[in-house]
Amino acid sequence: IQLTQSPSSLSASVGDRVIITCRTSQGISSYLAWYQQKPGKAPKLLIYSASTLQSGVPSRFSGSGSGTDFTLTISSLQPEDFATYYCQQLKSYPHTFGQGTKLEIK
Amino acid sequence: QVQLVQSGAEVKKPGASVRVSCKASGYTFTSYYIHWVRQAPGQGLEWMGIINPSDGTTSYAQKFQGRLTMTRDTSTSTVYMELSSLRSEDTAVHYCARREVRFGGAIDYWGQGTLVTVSS
Repeated sequence: IQLTQSPSSLSASVGDRVIITCRTSQGISSYLAWYQQKPGKAPKLLIYSASTLQSGVPSRFSGSGSGTDFTLTISSLQPEDFATYYCQQLKSYPHTFGQGTKLEIK
Repeated sequence: QVQLVQSGAEVKKPGASVRVSCKASGYTFTSYYIHWVRQAPGQGLEWMGIINPSDGTTSYAQKFQGRLTMTRDTSTSTVYMELSSLRSEDTAVHYCARREVRFGGAIDYWGQGTLVTVSS
C-alpha cells in the first residue's frame, strides 16, 4: 500500500490553520496514524485510528478520514508545532509511512 | 515506565553485517510486537519489519527480504535486528518501536535510535 502525503512542505505562521492530507493506494478503513517528528528526535504519536487523539496531545490537533483519504488538521499553529509530520498505514504489512510533510515558519 | 533502550552507534564496511539490540522494560515484553523503522540522513521514515516477541514470528518489508533478521530473547526482554550485506544506502538511524493494539496498531513508544554508518 502506497501512501502519498501532500504537501511535501508547507510554510505557515503562528495562529494559522493547517491541513495535511494522506492518500492511500488501497482502502485501509481507519487503520491510520499520524506522527510528529522534530530534528534529532524519535517520532511522537499524535493520532491513531485516523481520528483518535493520543493522550496528552493538544486538542488543536485533529484527524479525519477513512478508506483512502485522510487529513491531519492543526487548528491554530503554535511555535512548537513546526516539525515534520508522517502518516502510517496499519492495515496490512508492510506498515508503510508517507513521505512526510515539513512544516516551516513563514 | 515503558523504555526501549537500544545499543550504541555502529560503523561498518560495505558487505558486513550489523546487529542492533533493543532492550524493553516497564511492561510485559511478550505482549507487544516490536517494529523496526529506519531513517536515512535527511530522509523520511522507512518501515523495515516487525516481530512478535511472544513466538518470534516476523514480517519483513520486501526490500529487505534475505538481508534482514529479527530475533528476540525473552529471558532478557531484548529484540535484535540484524542486517547483512550492508551498503552505503543502509546508513541510517534505526529505531525499535512498540506496537500498541489498543491504538489500532500504532507505535506508542520508540527507542532512542541507533546510527549505523556504512563506509569503506
